[in-house]
Formats: sequence, structure tokens, C-alpha cells
Amino acid sequence: DAGITQSPRHKVTETGTPVTLRCHQTENHRYMYWYRQDPGHGLRLIHYSYGVKDTDKGEVSDGYSVSRSKTEDFLLTLESATSSQTSVYFCAISEPGQGAHGYTFGSGTRLTVV
Amino acid sequence: AQRVTQPEKLLSVFKGAPVELKCNYSYSGSPELFWYVQYSRQRLQLLLRHISRESIKGFTADLNKGETSFHLKKPFAQEEDSAMYYCALSSGSARQLTFGSGTQLTVLP
Repeated sequence: DAGITQSPRHKVTETGTPVTLRCHQTENHRYMYWYRQDPGHGLRLIHYSYGVKDTDKGEVSDGYSVSRSKTEDFLLTLESATSSQTSVYFCAISEPGQGAHGYTFGSGTRLTVV
Repeated sequence: AQRVTQPEKLLSVFKGAPVELKCNYSYSGSPELFWYVQYSRQRLQLLLRHISRESIKGFTADLNKGETSFHLKKPFAQEEDSAMYYCALSSGSARQLTFGSGTQLTVLP
């Protein structure tokens, strides 16, 4: 058990609908991150969190919002899904002092917007 | 702004042959660089970080600040090395990772 789970694992949704992806950790790590993975682009940072209620934008934050009301949960919301948001979404966690070598990734959520 | 470049999208080698996956970076500060690997249908895993200078699964990577490179090497490739490899740079207050676009390595029998 890697201590981090993402839900759902797969989702198909229609253009214009809101979608929320969940990342749940049992490691009590302070930092959490949302990335999207696309062919030819690698992984790109969407949003990240320093702690409860502390979040910031990443490289590709347009069209996404996040919330972190508890240490263990980091939610990613697509307010109005578009086809360009079809992607695989990865959550990651880390703890200060461990540096990035402490990154643990979730298994990913494959989102298809039709 | 930082940038990580992996010039090869695809790389094929035969089993037992040497392999080198290229990574170049641009960053104004002192870089902290990593290699991550993603096997088919699995989550990303840390392979190497430059600070530790260790060898994992026979892979090594040396940071060359003069050439701003962090190439990943293995002298004798194995079929189980077939995977997607990402070079990444850590920066920012939350140690955010900036990834390259990845190199899909295929080791042929």
C-alpha cells in the first residue's frame, strides 16, 4: 500500500459538466500535488498544496480549482469540463525535509471528456 | 523559469546493449534533478536523484552543470527496463517537480 489513493480510477464525462477528482493520503504528508500527463508533454503541475487551506497554482491551472479542507484529502475540480482536459491525472504527496525524493505518486485517474 | 528537455520521445535498443537517455535542463539556481520511471500500467517511481549519486537497477546519472545535462545510463540493457522515463527538476517552496516530456525505452530481445 503506497499510502495514497485516487478516485475514481476511470471516468467518462460530457463537455460542460463539473467533475471532481479525489486524492486521499494516509501518510500525514504536508505537501500534495495534482499533475496531468499527456503524450508529448510529460507531467505538468496543475495545483499544489502546502497544507490545509493553503494552495497555489501550477503551470496549467486554467479551468481547474482545488480544495484541501483536511490534511488527507486534496480535491481537484474541473468546473466545466472540456475535451482538452481529457488526460490522466496524477496526485502526489511529499513531506518537507524529504525533498522530492519523498514524492509518492497515486495510480492515476483516466478522465475522458466527450 | 525552469525547463527540462528530453530530446528523444522513443528509444529502442537490443538486450545487452548500452543505453543512454538524454536530459537537459535550464534553471537559474542550483538544480536538484531526478529520474522517474513508469512501467506499463504502474505509478511513477523514483529511480535516481543526483544528490545521492547511487546506482539503482544498474542505472546511473551524472549531473554536468557545464553542459546542463543529467543523462541516464546503463551499460547493459535488460528487457525489464522497457518503460517510460522522465527527467525532473525540483524547485520552489513546495519542491514542485518540473518534468521533461519523457522517453519511451524499448529493449528488444
